[in-house]
Amino acid sequence: DAGVTQSPTHLIKTRGQQVTLRCSPKSGHDTVSWYQQALGQGPQFIFQYYEEEERQRGNFPDRFSGHQFPNYSSELNVNALLLGDSALYLCASLGQGVLYEQYFGPGTRLTVT
Amino acid sequence: KQEVTQIPAALSVPEGENLVLNCSFTDSAIYNLQWFRQDPGKGLTSLLLIQSSQREQTSGRLNASLDKSSGRSTLYIAASQPGDSATYLCAVGGTSYDKVIFGPGTSLSVIP
Repeated sequence: DAGVTQSPTHLIKTRGQQVTLRCSPKSGHDTVSWYQQALGQGPQFIFQYYEEEERQRGNFPDRFSGHQFPNYSSELNVNALLLGDSALYLCASLGQGVLYEQYFGPGTRLTVT
Repeated sequence: KQEVTQIPAALSVPEGENLVLNCSFTDSAIYNLQWFRQDPGKGLTSLLLIQSSQREQTSGRLNASLDKSSGRSTLYIAASQPGDSATYLCAVGGTSYDKVIFGPGTSLSVIP
């Protein structure tokens, strides 16, 4: 049973560019959340997707957008990249049932120069 | 607004010691609390999840407790090993599908 997968592993972009990160949830999971983790800090919630709709959103600007596909995989798009967007981007899929346990992928390390 | 803090920020112990990591949250109306481990530059590995109706969970050398009324959780690690060296994060969920709020983490170093 494959866990949560993310691509790419690492990415280097220039200020002002746009980036797309991808996530495939754990088999059987239909909910995907995205987090941004700056160096030395805990992850910060960006948004959550369920049934191809954004269900919850954290305190992030509109430059951060997402999408969920019918197969439950998800994309995170960031436009007009800033130096401060450099971080580890984590995707989590939500377990079904009453536990609602989150399973995380390995993350994508984004560096903006 | 839920805020999560963790004490201490960093901890260094000799191998074999038992240790306790602390997590505090400001809003006791939580759905669950999850403890994670994170190795440098890597993703998060779930260690234990405690439902709001539970008091504790155990897995091997790990034991996590939850006291909702006081807004606290502790992660107890018995007989620490160098392989336990990592950052430990606690995360609180407000409703069944609510966004999860993370603490800043405790960086643990176990010295051989």
